[in-house]
Amino acid sequence: DVKVTQSSRYLVKRTGEKVFLECVQDMDHENMFWYRQDPGLGLRLIYFSYDVKMKEKGDIPEGYSVSREKKERFSLILESASTNQTSMYLCASSLLSGTRNQYFGPGTRLTVT
Amino acid sequence: DAKTTQPPSMDCAEGRAANLPCNHSTISGNEYVYWYRQIHSQGPQYIIHGLKNNETNEMASLIITEDRKSSTLILPHATLRDTAVYYCIAPAGGTSYGKLTFGQGTILTVHP
Repeated sequence: DVKVTQSSRYLVKRTGEKVFLECVQDMDHENMFWYRQDPGLGLRLIYFSYDVKMKEKGDIPEGYSVSREKKERFSLILESASTNQTSMYLCASSLLSGTRNQYFGPGTRLTVT
Repeated sequence: DAKTTQPPSMDCAEGRAANLPCNHSTISGNEYVYWYRQIHSQGPQYIIHGLKNNETNEMASLIITEDRKSSTLILPHATLRDTAVYYCIAPAGGTSYGKLTFGQGTILTVHP
């Protein structure tokens, strides 16, 4: 079974802090994604990566950056956390480019105070 | 992405089949139908997908009508652990990176 793990289930940070969310997958998948999920807004893509050191902006990249130095690891960085970044953050991976068979991690519920 | 319409909620007795409908009348020829579910406080879980033929895997069956305007996800013997929000999506073909966009989905509650 594909396993996608995220570094924390719950995180509380203060406004202005730099926040790192880590995601690791163990199935040698090429593609990795970061989404956020908010009530009433559904799932929104922040960034994705289709190869090591490659990244592409999704629909809402503002205020975020990503890093993919190794194939199995995809990090999401909030440069200066703000209260409107309080959300559920979900990491996903997929084997083939363009496929919608994505495997999700358990999510990180981030609260910025 | 084709617009999909699902009932907001459904109930099912444990051990019975759960049949979750989805309408996607504007689907185009190359758009697959995908089903995901999300159990409370967990990440979404891929269930199954299909284009025009019926599909079955260890989790569920997917029945797509001949005109492809609707589909039904069948959980043959629902358990309490199947209580979740079920999402039907029909993403546009040709999107290079495979972004997922979920609607409101159907809240399935399985009762003892």
